[in-house]
Amino acid sequence: AAGVIQSPRHLIKEKRETATLKCYPIPRHDTVYWYQQGPGQDPQFLISFYEKMQSDKGSIPDRFSAQQFSDYHSELNMSSLELGDSALYFCASSLPNQPQHFGDGTRLSIL
Amino acid sequence: EDQVTQSPEALRLQEGESSSLNCSYTVSGLRGLFWYRQDPGKGPEFLFTLYSAGEEKEKERLKATLTKKESFLHITAPKPEDSATYLCAVQPPGGTSGSRLTFGEGTQLTVNP
Repeated sequence: AAGVIQSPRHLIKEKRETATLKCYPIPRHDTVYWYQQGPGQDPQFLISFYEKMQSDKGSIPDRFSAQQFSDYHSELNMSSLELGDSALYFCASSLPNQPQHFGDGTRLSIL
Repeated sequence: EDQVTQSPEALRLQEGESSSLNCSYTVSGLRGLFWYRQDPGKGPEFLFTLYSAGEEKEKERLKATLTKKESFLHITAPKPEDSATYLCAVQPPGGTSGSRLTFGEGTQLTVNP
C-alpha cells in the first residue's frame, strides 16, 4: 500500500539558512500533519491542514510556515535556521477523523 | 493541557516472556487513544486506536486495552522482531479533521533471543 512520502530524507544546512521540506500524503488523504522529533524525544506537533486550510497549530516557531496545496501535498518552510532546529521532521496524513499515518521523516542537521 | 506518561521507559524481555506497557493520560476530553510502534530512523507505525473505556484491540502478539485513565499494551510471547519503541498518543475531541496527537515519551522494548 502507498505510504506518506517525504523529501528530502536528509538535509544539511548552516545557521541562518532556509529549508523546505515536502510531504506527499497517502492518496485520498485530505489531512496533513507536521511533527518535530528531537533525539530521544517524542514527536511534538507543529501544525496541521485539512482541505488546504490550517486545522490546528502547535508549538511551531514564527520562523516556520507551512501550507497545503491543491493536490494535498504540503510543504514546511523554515527560515533563519538555528542549531536547535536539528531534528527529525515527520509528516503524517489521514482521512477525516481516522488514524494518522506517518512518513519516515526528513532528518535536518544544522551546522 | 493534555499529558501522557508511559512506563517503564525501557523494558528488556527474553523471547517468550510476556509483559505489559502502561500509558497514563490526563485530558480534558478524549477522541481516541493511539498506540504506535517506532523503529530507529523510521516514522511511527500505527498499531491501534481505542475510543472508549473497556475497549480492547488485538493484533498478533499485541493486545491494547483502555480504562478511563490509562491504557495497557500487552505483549504475549514476544519475539526479537517486536523490539522497538512503543508510543502512546491521545487526540482531543474536535469538530474537524486535523486534531493534534500528544505523545508520551515511549517505552523502548528489547526482546532478547
